[in-house]
This record gives sequence, C-alpha cells and structure tokens, in this order.
Amino acid sequence: TQLLEQSPQFLSIQEGENLTVYCNSSSVFSSLQWYRQEPGEGPVLLVTVVTGGEVKKLKRLTFQFGDARKDSSLHITAAQPGDTGLYLCAGPNYGGSQGNLIFGKGTKLSVKP
Amino acid sequence: SAVISQKPSRDICQRGTSLTIQCQVDSQVTMMFWYRQQPGQSLTLIATANQGSEATYESGFVIDKFPISRPNLTFSTLTVSNMSPEDSSIYLCSAGRDTFGEQYFGPGTRLTVT
Repeated sequence: TQLLEQSPQFLSIQEGENLTVYCNSSSVFSSLQWYRQEPGEGPVLLVTVVTGGEVKKLKRLTFQFGDARKDSSLHITAAQPGDTGLYLCAGPNYGGSQGNLIFGKGTKLSVKP
Repeated sequence: SAVISQKPSRDICQRGTSLTIQCQVDSQVTMMFWYRQQPGQSLTLIATANQGSEATYESGFVIDKFPISRPNLTFSTLTVSNMSPEDSSIYLCSAGRDTFGEQYFGPGTRLTVT
C-alpha cells in the first residue's frame, strides 16, 4: 500500500525563520507534487518533481526529490505570514483509477508576524 | 492549468435532506474528481467522475449516498443524499489533465448538517 507521510504535522514559526517540511514513503513514485491550501480555498499546485535528485526553486521555496524517488522536501527561506497554510504532498496512486492521487496528511504551517 | 468554480460555496442543511454541488471547469478536461476534507486535514477521494459512464467510487463511498453526474467534459455534480451531521465537511472537486496527474481544485463547498 502506498503511503505518503508528512512531517512535521504542525509548525508555528516567526516571520523571517527558515523551515523544512518532509514527505516520505517506502514506495517509489514516478513524480511527486506539492500543494498549498489556504483557509477557505482549494489546494493550489506549487510544483511537480519528476527526476530523482531534482531541485526546483519557486522564489523562496525550494523543492527536492530524493535520489531514490521515495521522498521529497520543501524548504522555505525567510518565511512570511503569506506562507501560512496547509502544505500537502501527493503522488500517483498506482492501485487506483487513472489520474488518482495519494495525498499525505499535510503540514499545517503558521507564520507569525 | 484550469480554473474551477463550485456552487454553492457553503450551505447549512437539515438532516435527511439532499444537496447537489456543482463543479464547472473553464476548459475541457479528461478527469474530474470529488474529495471530502475536514478543516485543516488532508483530502479523502470520494470518486472519479467519468464522462459518459458511471463514476468510480472509492472504498467506503457508494453511489446511493453520493450520486455523481458528468454530462460533459467541463461539468460535474455531486449529490450528498439523506444527510446526517456526519456528512458535515468540505467537499472539493478537481480536474486532472496534465502529464504527471496534477490536479486543479475548486474553492470547495462547506457543508454543515444540523
């Protein structure tokens, strides 16, 4: 059974601090996606990582895909209150219907001014 | 990408009644999905809405309780039938089209059943 485990579950930091969120699995994924969801909104796709060892940057956010394609991390530099939200990693569900995704349980980030 | 709209954005319903949620995509998409989410928690897939055929339901969800329609490639509805307070949740629809299965989500429908 494919599972994506995210840590930490909750994170509360001050503006300007750096943080890293992790997404781990015992299964190999062909790709992983990261989403951010703000209160009252649906999740918004941030990035897709495809190649083992890949690093992608989106302004202050750095995403990495593990060499073995079993894990990914999201690093935020100098966090801002606007980064507050629920961060979800997701990957293809190979046991499900076409296009199905498996989601991790999420990391709830709060950045205080 | 795709822009998804949902109606209603929220509703308060009496137990035993039904609510139909509409999901509209701004362009044709192959796949549409319906999820349930408790506030602050992750997503649980209810079903895949298939155009021209019956929806594919995940374990724990049945067609009698959550009938789904998908009349074309841009529109789908989810009905929550014979509601109970346990159905109170956020219901999200999404569209999937891109190469690696990325999905684009609507803003959600916040349902409260009293």
